[in-house]
Amino acid sequence: AQKVTQAQTEISVVEKEDVTLDCVYETRDTTYYLFWYKQPPSGELVFLIRRNSFDEQNEISGRYSWNFQKSTSSFNFTITASQVVDSAVYFCALSDPYSSASKIIFGSGTRLSIRP
Amino acid sequence: EAGVTQFPSHSVIEKGQTVTLRCDPISGHDNLYWYRRVMGKEIKFLLHFVKESKQDESGMPNNRFLAERTGGTYSTLKVQPAELEDSGVYFCASSQDGYLNTEAFFGQGTRLTVV
Repeated sequence: AQKVTQAQTEISVVEKEDVTLDCVYETRDTTYYLFWYKQPPSGELVFLIRRNSFDEQNEISGRYSWNFQKSTSSFNFTITASQVVDSAVYFCALSDPYSSASKIIFGSGTRLSIRP
Repeated sequence: EAGVTQFPSHSVIEKGQTVTLRCDPISGHDNLYWYRRVMGKEIKFLLHFVKESKQDESGMPNNRFLAERTGGTYSTLKVQPAELEDSGVYFCASSQDGYLNTEAFFGQGTRLTVV
């Protein structure tokens, strides 16, 4: 069965600190996609990244970076020099790429609060 | 370009009442999905429309939930009668095609509170 675990329910850091959100997944598929979504206070889910299981290269986008390690089934998300605007709930998700978006399995989310 | 729009943004109803949630997908997106997040838990899939047809409704919790997408445009999700455990945030998403190489765009969600 597929499962996504985000063990950190809530994280609070002071602005400019670096913060890492953990994501551990379980799947029997050899081919799959991993996602991160952001839910700001306005409520909508904002797509951040999609990685396929064959691409373990870490990705950096501005202050955001993602560390994908198949050996530990983890897909962690790091925000460098955090800002108050980064405050949101962040969801990690997993899916079989040959299925539709109906098969996205989400984690329970991590609420990140950045204090000024 | 307008994104996925959901209405209302919040709804508070009493147990036993009926509530109808609406989702307007991005224009031209044939695929429409409903998800919900209950009690701060994970976001779970409810169902998937391709145009006006239900492609997959395996996530619908019970027969108190009815989803429609007449004409393949906007969709409604009716809960009748509502129960306390139905409280949560209901998300709608749409995509051009049904495969994961195409991004699914999510709306802002409808927060439903059943008292």
